Amino acid sequence: GQQLNQSPQSMFIQEGEDVSMNCTSSSIFNTWLWYKQDPGEGPVLLIALYKAGELTSNGRLTAQFGITRKDSFLNISASIPSDVGIYFCAGQLNSGGYQKVTFGIGTKLQVIP
Amino acid sequence: DAGVIQSPRHEVTEMGQEVTLRCKPISGHNSLFWYRQTMMRGLELLIYFNNNVPIDDSGMPEDRFSAKMPNASFSTLKIQPSEPRDSAVYFCASSFEGALDTQYFGPGTRLTVL
Repeated sequence: GQQLNQSPQSMFIQEGEDVSMNCTSSSIFNTWLWYKQDPGEGPVLLIALYKAGELTSNGRLTAQFGITRKDSFLNISASIPSDVGIYFCAGQLNSGGYQKVTFGIGTKLQVIP
Repeated sequence: DAGVIQSPRHEVTEMGQEVTLRCKPISGHNSLFWYRQTMMRGLELLIYFNNNVPIDDSGMPEDRFSAKMPNASFSTLKIQPSEPRDSAVYFCASSFEGALDTQYFGPGTRLTVL
């Protein structure tokens, strides 16, 4: 299936720094989602975005649905050690009532205390 | 709620053997998804069931893979015969009416085919 272009693929940051990651696609999506995956666990949904231009926050996390519907970004402010993990974006299409989903390859985040 | 339950958590097998992965979705959820995760290809949807019926199996790699959902509380993903390139983490997830914003993933099964 189609892959989203997610960047960066990995990041090393100091505790307290802000983080930004983004996803782009050649196709339009109706929904963008951001997940976090801890080692040995399944992904957990962080934020879901439903409208172009929408900006949504969840604690220290902020995500935006791009105006063109082809991109989204996730920001983490004031990073802490427990932010370590892999962050995935996902785009959802409408396909005959069933909503097909495509995942990005992931951004691996390391936080240095 | 116990969440999505998968078994086994780890499976090591030899090439050519049959592998069966199991999933119990969250009670009340009527949609079930099987995903495969590898370093090279990331997370890929294999098959999606709604009300126990396979709706989209376009992600199933080939005939060696099959999935069943005999009732609302159980699903299996079978690989026969297994090959080394099938080594991956397989996730099951469930939700209500296919919605991703109510979807919960299981802990995954790490499969190694030697």
